[in-house]
Amino acid sequence: AQKITQTQPGMFVQEKEAVTLDCTYDTSDPSYGLFWYKQPSSGEMIFLIYQGSYDQQNATEGRYSLNFQKARKSANLVISASQLGDSAMYFCAMREGRVPRGNTDKLIFGTGTRLQVFP
Amino acid sequence: EAQVTQNPRYLITVTGKKLTVTCSQNMNHEYMSWYRQDPGLGLRQIYYSMNVEVTDKGDVPEGYKVSRKEKRNFPLILESPSPNQTSLYFCASSPLGTGGLGAFGPGTRLTVT
Repeated sequence: AQKITQTQPGMFVQEKEAVTLDCTYDTSDPSYGLFWYKQPSSGEMIFLIYQGSYDQQNATEGRYSLNFQKARKSANLVISASQLGDSAMYFCAMREGRVPRGNTDKLIFGTGTRLQVFP
Repeated sequence: EAQVTQNPRYLITVTGKKLTVTCSQNMNHEYMSWYRQDPGLGLRQIYYSMNVEVTDKGDVPEGYKVSRKEKRNFPLILESPSPNQTSLYFCASSPLGTGGLGAFGPGTRLTVT
């Protein structure tokens, strides 16, 4: 069963507008972490934001915020005031608290959403 | 500068010719791992290591080997590459127990013909 689901293969947004990238996850572990990464066309993975399952408040980092809805198992990324440089692939990922053989830092990735920002 | 480095960044090779992709980190992280990225599949873990001389399989280990003789280095070895190993490879490292809050290398784009 897919543990991280990103249902939007591609999204378009106009510059200066806000955009929400969807991510739902599946785990029975009460302890987990959720990540968002940006991958520009150059290929590197850029860490954007992290949310722990026990964190009471939604994570924010500059123009990025994570809309964490635990009961719905969703962890959507909100980018405010989009810029042309935000055009990239975005990956949602999860780390579970209990994994086989103590693989404590393994990340499970979604299939990504390609965001294109137009002027 | 704290970073994870990978070499080479780009490689085109032929089926069956052994190759090694190096990964090195200067942050004294215990945990290191390799992922491959394929279109429509996201990133999948190949192997991981929790410390020197401690390695184990991830989700897609077939056709790969690793070693961890030093804390900073975690090379990925393809003994007999095949075209289905054409992919973008990432090395990652993190302090053990931080749950993945570490760093990724810049990626190695491998093509096997």
